[in-house]
Amino acid sequence: GAVVSQHPSRVICKSGTSVKIECRSLDFQATTMFWYRQFPKQSLMLMATSNEGSKATYEQGVEKDKFLINHASLTLSTLTVTSAHPEDSSFYICSATPRTTSTDTQYFGPGTRLTVL
Amino acid sequence: AQSVTQPDIHITVSEGASLELRCNYSYGATPYLFWYVQSPGQGLQLLLKYFSGDTLVQGIKGFEAEFKRSQSSFNLRKPSVHWSDAAEYFCAVGVILTGGGNKLTFGTGTQLKVEL
Repeated sequence: GAVVSQHPSRVICKSGTSVKIECRSLDFQATTMFWYRQFPKQSLMLMATSNEGSKATYEQGVEKDKFLINHASLTLSTLTVTSAHPEDSSFYICSATPRTTSTDTQYFGPGTRLTVL
Repeated sequence: AQSVTQPDIHITVSEGASLELRCNYSYGATPYLFWYVQSPGQGLQLLLKYFSGDTLVQGIKGFEAEFKRSQSSFNLRKPSVHWSDAAEYFCAVGVILTGGGNKLTFGTGTQLKVEL
């Protein structure tokens, strides 16, 4: 089946620094990639939707200057948390929709645990 | 805007017992409905989905779900639970995007615990 990877799986950083999280579709090209945030014991909240070569579409309430998304190729999307603060600590999950299938299929990465000290 | 409600935060069942996880949705048009399972250290895995047609949908791992438009529900069922089914289960409603993919709105999840 289709595999989506995320790197790193876990990251700890100091407040004020920036952190980049990579999301890769390993065996397919992705039309669309999504970034979610999941707080402990809570649901996944969609942060943004990105299509290769175009700007990401952010959900209401998500700061686009703080959460920079780059979808540079059909297999890679990155999320950069700029000037991270402790409240940005969370579990970040990406997903990708294969280019060759119908629009109903979304494959999820294993997530990245971000801890900001 | 669409929304999903999973009324049960935690459910505990004995191994071998039947299971039903509840999901109610709110959406103005015909919904695209999904059930995902999340296990620690793994990405969300799609159990089953409903777009149209037969309202009883079969999925992987012996799961099924029934779409009931009159009740705005899409409950997940399994006749006999295995200890390995212990995980977090999410119901989601999807909106198809013109650029590809579908935008998912998730419920808050139900944590399933299986007693041996």
